[in-house]
Amino acid sequence: GAVVSQHPSWVICKSGTSVKIECRSLDFQATTMFWYRQFPKQSLMLMATSNEGSKATYEQGVEKDKFLINHASLTLSTLTVTSAHPEDSSFYICSTERGNTEAFFGQGTRLTVV
Amino acid sequence: GQNIDQPTEMTATEGAIVQINCTYQTSGFNGLFWYQQHAGEAPTFLSYNVLDGLEEKGRFSSFLSRSKGYSYLLLKELQMKDSASYLCAVRDRDYKLSFGAGTTVTVRA
Repeated sequence: GAVVSQHPSWVICKSGTSVKIECRSLDFQATTMFWYRQFPKQSLMLMATSNEGSKATYEQGVEKDKFLINHASLTLSTLTVTSAHPEDSSFYICSTERGNTEAFFGQGTRLTVV
Repeated sequence: GQNIDQPTEMTATEGAIVQINCTYQTSGFNGLFWYQQHAGEAPTFLSYNVLDGLEEKGRFSSFLSRSKGYSYLLLKELQMKDSASYLCAVRDRDYKLSFGAGTTVTVRA
């Protein structure tokens, strides 16, 4: 069964609005959650790393005020895309690890900003 | 930055064998992963290598040579459902995963 549950799978929003994406770890505690973005026919690009109870670490070029990450509990991390614009349309995926040898991904969220 | 290279596309016939190569240059090394990703879906874990050598898992095998910065994923007895993108990912010294652009494998009948 799924180890990481991500919702929603699809979302269409109007330009200027905000969208929240949730990622839950099932049956285990995820101290660290990774957030990726993937544009069509491109690779996954790490946006930020969230750690439970502390501020997220953002990769270079990712605006922390635009992509708000909250990791308030060991089973839930959220990514909020604020004031979304069409160029933010992408596939967003969360991931966590169990031990050092396996990484598990959420189902992904296809965001379309119109 | 990290540099991970893999071919863009490969085509093979059902029942055949395909080898997907991956070369990498990263700041440190803490393991190499292979993932399968179908269009519009999240990646699913296939294999993990941290020591040199071959890891076999059913129809899929993965090889690693750390000194050469090289890995390959071997898919045997190809099935139509194996048509997907295959991602090579390397974990660096900060334990961050960097992904290659993916290799799209098309299996023909």
